[in-house]
Amino acid sequence: EDQVTQSPEALRLQEGESSSLNCSYTVSGLRGLFWYRQDPGKGPEFLFTLYSAGEEKEKERLKATLTKKESFLHITAPKPEDSATYLCAVPGGANNLFFGTGTRLTVIP
Amino acid sequence: NAGVMQNPRHLVRRRGQEARLRCSPMKGHSHVYWYRQLPEEGLKFMVYLQKENIIDESGMPKERFSAEFPKEGPSILRIQQVVRGDSAAYFCASSVQPTGTDTQYFGPGTRLTVL
Repeated sequence: EDQVTQSPEALRLQEGESSSLNCSYTVSGLRGLFWYRQDPGKGPEFLFTLYSAGEEKEKERLKATLTKKESFLHITAPKPEDSATYLCAVPGGANNLFFGTGTRLTVIP
Repeated sequence: NAGVMQNPRHLVRRRGQEARLRCSPMKGHSHVYWYRQLPEEGLKFMVYLQKENIIDESGMPKERFSAEFPKEGPSILRIQQVVRGDSAAYFCASSVQPTGTDTQYFGPGTRLTVL
């Protein structure tokens, strides 16, 4: 059965304190791993897609990496505006995304 | 280029009433997906549609829920005889190509409250 597990559930960082969020997955035949950001009361906002082990993508203070078992979202020198819930997802079956429950990040000024 | 649009953003219904949620995909997108997010839970897939066709409704409850994506107009998620357990945020997403080969872009969601 396909599984996506995100850790930690919640993370509090001081502004400027770098850290990483983890997404581990068990799927047969990975067809991509997606990272989204979700602010309270809003829809998920697309960040990255990774397709193969070793792939990395960057956007501002965020960098996503992928291995055969997990993906990391590295946050370098975060700012308060980076506070959000970060979701990872994999294609679950032919027609949908299977989401983890997310990591709720709070960056304290 | 407008993103995925959903309306209403907030919807309040009493038990037993009907709820209709609308979704207009991004321009050029012909694949539409509906997800439900219960409080403190992750996004759960409900249904996948292309124009005039339901492709996969494996995540949708068998009773009271239906979806359509007509040739003209938005996709509609319809919930009949709502119950308190239907209270949730409902998100629509769209893509150019099917999942697995393309990115899904999400709308702002409709928050349904059942009194």
